[in-house]
Amino acid sequence: KAGVTQTPRYLIKTRGQQVTLSCSPISGHRSVSWYQQTPGQGLQFLFEYFSETQRNKGNFPGRFSGRQFSNSRSEMNVSTLELGDSALYLCASSLDRAGAKNIQYFGAGTRLSVL
Amino acid sequence: GENVGLHLPTLSVQEGDNSIINCAYSNSASDYFIWYKQESGKGPQFIIDIRSNMDKRQGQRVTVLLNKTVKHLSLQIAATQPGDSAVYFCAEKLGGTALIFGKGTTLSVSS
Repeated sequence: KAGVTQTPRYLIKTRGQQVTLSCSPISGHRSVSWYQQTPGQGLQFLFEYFSETQRNKGNFPGRFSGRQFSNSRSEMNVSTLELGDSALYLCASSLDRAGAKNIQYFGAGTRLSVL
Repeated sequence: GENVGLHLPTLSVQEGDNSIINCAYSNSASDYFIWYKQESGKGPQFIIDIRSNMDKRQGQRVTVLLNKTVKHLSLQIAATQPGDSAVYFCAEKLGGTALIFGKGTTLSVSS
């Protein structure tokens, strides 16, 4: 079974631009969560989607947004990029079924550099 | 070598030693805890989990201990191997699905 796939693996953008990152969950997984990883702040939760609806949101500005499609694939968008948005963006998927453990499995991430 | 009690950002051990990685979690109401391993250039990889109604769980070469009184979690790795070298994170979950990650510990195993 294929794991969580994130594209692209690397991105370089300049301040003020916007960026869209993509995540394909493990087949059959219904929930997708996004995390930002930086050396200073560690791993921080951005948001979580289930059945095309945002179910949970972390403490990030409105420049960070996401969506989920009917096939559970998800995208996140960051508008008006700032230098501080440089980070590894990780996507995780889980089965999200009652009675299941619902372990979150992570992709390899997208490394975003903002110049 | 073993280190118990304190969270350390780095831990260096010899191959074959047992390793103990510690983590303090933040919310006494958290009901589920997970340990992840992250190797360079990869995303976090699930190692082992434990629910709050347990205080110990064992896997293959790994054991997780949960002390709810002091909000402390530890990961024990038996017979540490060079392939265990990575950053280890604990994470807690409170009700919903958002994971709250602790500060990682970089484990270095020398042969």
